[in-house]
Amino acid sequence: QKEVEQNSGPLSVPEGAIASLNCTYSDRGSQSFFWYRQYSGKSPELIMFIYSNGDKEDGRFTAQLNKASQYVSLLIRDSQPSDSATYLCAVTRYTPSKLTFGTGTRLQVTL
Amino acid sequence: DTEVTQTPKHLVMGMTNKKSLKCEQHMGHRAMYWYKQKAKKPPELMFVYSYEKLSINESVPSRFSPECPNSSLLNLHLHALQPEDSALYLCASSQRQASVEAFFGQGTRLTVV
Repeated sequence: QKEVEQNSGPLSVPEGAIASLNCTYSDRGSQSFFWYRQYSGKSPELIMFIYSNGDKEDGRFTAQLNKASQYVSLLIRDSQPSDSATYLCAVTRYTPSKLTFGTGTRLQVTL
Repeated sequence: DTEVTQTPKHLVMGMTNKKSLKCEQHMGHRAMYWYKQKAKKPPELMFVYSYEKLSINESVPSRFSPECPNSSLLNLHLHALQPEDSALYLCASSQRQASVEAFFGQGTRLTVV
């Protein structure tokens, strides 16, 4: 079993729709959860992080965490073509500081 | 300023060459990282420096040699690499090792021929 699992996609959503990206993790000691966006050939860009169960909203992005189910998700409202990228889920314990990445979900926002 | 700067952006080197990748940040971060990313794969941690001391080495071959001259700079010295080492090398930094909100540089695209 992979430590962090994501559906590789591509996930295709029409412009203006809600994109829902999911991630499960195996380490129950994980404390911090991150979503990175990576455009092709570019470096990862941190877009959201969440530490506590529940929802965290930042603009068009909402991260949801359920530690009991070992599940974290990212919702993107009003999806734009510029949101088309690979979204990497990453988790870590506080110590040691090591981000474990999922393989990423490729999102395509169509016109 | 939330920028991590990596140079060069692209590098082609032969298997007998010696080259260095450089990374610089001026955010006052005290933890810096090297990651390796192959195509369509997630980043894989190579090294972690915390307060200029190597704290994590993920069993990386000795042909990769990290160096942290000061709190703002992180180098990766390359020697006798193999074609399979071709990848995107990413530097990242965070406030401290326990602070895992890492900011990535733009990466160095390395091709070993």
